[in-house]
Amino acid sequence: AIQMTQSPSSLSASVGDRVTITCRASQGIGNDLGWYQQKPGKAPKLLIYAASSLQSGVPSRFSGSGSGTDFTLTISSLQPEDFASYYCLQDYNYPWTFGQGTNVEIK
Amino acid sequence: QVTLKESGPALVKPTQTLTLTCTFSGFSLSTSGMRVSWIRQPPGKALEWLARIDWDDDKFYSTSLKTRLTISKDTSKNQVVLTMTNMDPVDTATYYCARTSCSSTSCYLDYWGQGTLVTVSS
Repeated sequence: AIQMTQSPSSLSASVGDRVTITCRASQGIGNDLGWYQQKPGKAPKLLIYAASSLQSGVPSRFSGSGSGTDFTLTISSLQPEDFASYYCLQDYNYPWTFGQGTNVEIK
Repeated sequence: QVTLKESGPALVKPTQTLTLTCTFSGFSLSTSGMRVSWIRQPPGKALEWLARIDWDDDKFYSTSLKTRLTISKDTSKNQVVLTMTNMDPVDTATYYCARTSCSSTSCYLDYWGQGTLVTVSS
């Protein structure tokens, strides 16, 4: 199975900060990667699909980039409602695999 | 609008078989291109993709759990059922179902149920 390694596993940031989360695949996956946000006690929410396509209704401060093995989720200006956990998911081949998650906390 | 909701037992005993039902609305699994996946999340841990079923009855499974999982659909009831045999305490998790959509190049989980917590304990 393809291993997805996210970094960092957690970070502390302030409102207004630019935040970057990375995901590295153990082999090339083209652009078959999505990013999900999860708040405590809630289901995950799709933010980005196909590495860089913004899901409808998601604020434009979220962006995704990368292809092959290295991917990035960027939040351009962190808002109070963005404090959450973030996961990447590869859909290049089966089994689909998630990263281990990044917890974004308030500094 | 699209909604999904998981249902099933909150508590199962070790070695028992778990049966979970995902009841959805706003789309039909008889429509070409429609798909539903199951995902789980142990308390405090990461998400894990389990299985997917497509409109044409194609099925895909987690490699590590393949021998224990069965996914099926009842199109007339707008339901997808996941069974997992030989449950163990390590299977304690919140189980989610999610509609799965695919563009020309990539697939993604665009609508999720609220999840259902299943505890495995004697």
